Amino acid sequence: TQLLEQSPQFLSIQEGENLTVYCNSSSVFSSLQWYRQEPGEGPVLLVTVVTGGEVKKLKRLTFQFGDARKDSSLHITAAQPGDTGLYLCAGAQRDGSARQLTFGSGTQLTVLP
Amino acid sequence: GAGVSQTPSNKVTEKGKYVELRCDPISGHTALYWYRQSLGQGPEFLIYFQGTGAADDSGLPNDRFFAVRPEGSVSTLKIQRTERGDSAVYLCASSHSWFRREGRGCQETQYFGPGTRLLVL
Repeated sequence: TQLLEQSPQFLSIQEGENLTVYCNSSSVFSSLQWYRQEPGEGPVLLVTVVTGGEVKKLKRLTFQFGDARKDSSLHITAAQPGDTGLYLCAGAQRDGSARQLTFGSGTQLTVLP
Repeated sequence: GAGVSQTPSNKVTEKGKYVELRCDPISGHTALYWYRQSLGQGPEFLIYFQGTGAADDSGLPNDRFFAVRPEGSVSTLKIQRTERGDSAVYLCASSHSWFRREGRGCQETQYFGPGTRLLVL
């Protein structure tokens, strides 16, 4: 059972538009990571957020961790076709005893030229 | 440097057969993870190795699944009596040692391989 819910599941936009992807959970995580996965490849880490309320920017991508450390968002400004891919959020458990990551079901983003 | 490699890249088998999937982690990484990703879903944790030992196998779905890492480097995921529901992409990841810092667990970055696409007919 997935503990992380991502929305929307699919998103198709035109080049230059802005978008936001959401990752929500009823569980508290000690850290949350965002990955991008392209067809035929494994997920590639984009960012890790650790502190509640934390905001991190990576060029045109802005990541935010919720104050309660249960949710996160990814905002992309002026999307480009190269941003196309599956965006996954993944949480690490708060007590630190679990080494595995819990992944959301992903948001498939398509940016049309 | 070389990343995580997985072989084969694709595997087609028949229901009831035995399969082995191989993972070569990044050199020097002591932690190794196996995940399974079904179509349209995110990866699901299967098992985690620290060195040669399986530190957490809570994600293995049943006793048909088994994994080994005898020398603390290469790992093999073994599936007996395959079923159609086993069809998925099997991902391997490796990282430096997981460690505790400031009284909390610290999740080291996991580097994923390209996966093995398993199709059970």
